Amino acid sequence: GNSVTQMEGPVTLSEEAFLTINCTYTATGYPSLFWYVQYPGEGLQLLLKATKADDKGSNKGFEATYRKETTSFHLEKGSVQVSDSAVYFCALSEVEGRTGNQFYFGTGTSLTVIP
Amino acid sequence: EAQVTQNPRYLITVTGKKLTVTCSQNMNHEYMSWYRQDPGLGLRQIYYSMNVEVTDKGDVPEGYKVSRKEKRNFPLILESPSPNQTSLYFCASSLLGRGSFEEQYFGPGTRLTVT
Repeated sequence: GNSVTQMEGPVTLSEEAFLTINCTYTATGYPSLFWYVQYPGEGLQLLLKATKADDKGSNKGFEATYRKETTSFHLEKGSVQVSDSAVYFCALSEVEGRTGNQFYFGTGTSLTVIP
Repeated sequence: EAQVTQNPRYLITVTGKKLTVTCSQNMNHEYMSWYRQDPGLGLRQIYYSMNVEVTDKGDVPEGYKVSRKEKRNFPLILESPSPNQTSLYFCASSLLGRGSFEEQYFGPGTRLTVT
C-alpha cells in the first residue's frame, strides 16, 4: 500500500544553516506530493507541492523535487531563520479505485532554529 | 475568506458522554476528512468523505462516527468517548482535481481531553 516515511526529528539548527528533511514514499501509481508546515498552536498549511515526476515545488525559500527514480521528495532550504521553527509533514495523495483519492502523511519532523 | 472552521477548539469531557465536533468549509470542496494527531504518530486519518452522503473509513475509525448531509459540513461524533481518544483533531477539505486531489486545507484543530 501507499506510505510516506520522513526523517525523524527533532532537528536543531543554527540560523542561516542549510536544511534537509528527507522524505521517501511508496505508491502504486502516480501520486501528488506535498510538504505541509505546522507552526505552534496552529493547523497544517501547505508549504509546497509537486504533481508529477521531476517537478520542483518551491515557496518561502524552501524547495523539493519529485524524484520518481528514488521515490523521494526531500525538503531543502539554503538558509533557515528562527521563524522557520515548526513541524514539517511530507504527504502524498493518489487515486485509489472507487473510493478515489486518499492522503497519506509522514509522522512529521520538528525543526528548531536557534539564533 | 476561504477557510475550514472547527468547534469547539478545546473540550474537556468525561468517559461515555457523547460529543460532536463540528467542521465547516466555505470553499465548495467535495472532499472532507478528519485526522487525529498524536505525539510520535503524526497524522492519522479517521474518516473521509468524497461528497454528500458518501463517507468511508480511514486508518483509525474505531469509536468515531461521521455524517455528510451537506457539502459544507462534516461533523465528527464520539458516541462514548474514552481516554484513548484524548488527542488533537483536525478537519480538512480539498477539491477533486484532474485525477488527483489538490492540496488539503486544514482547520485550526480541536484539543480534546477525555477523563
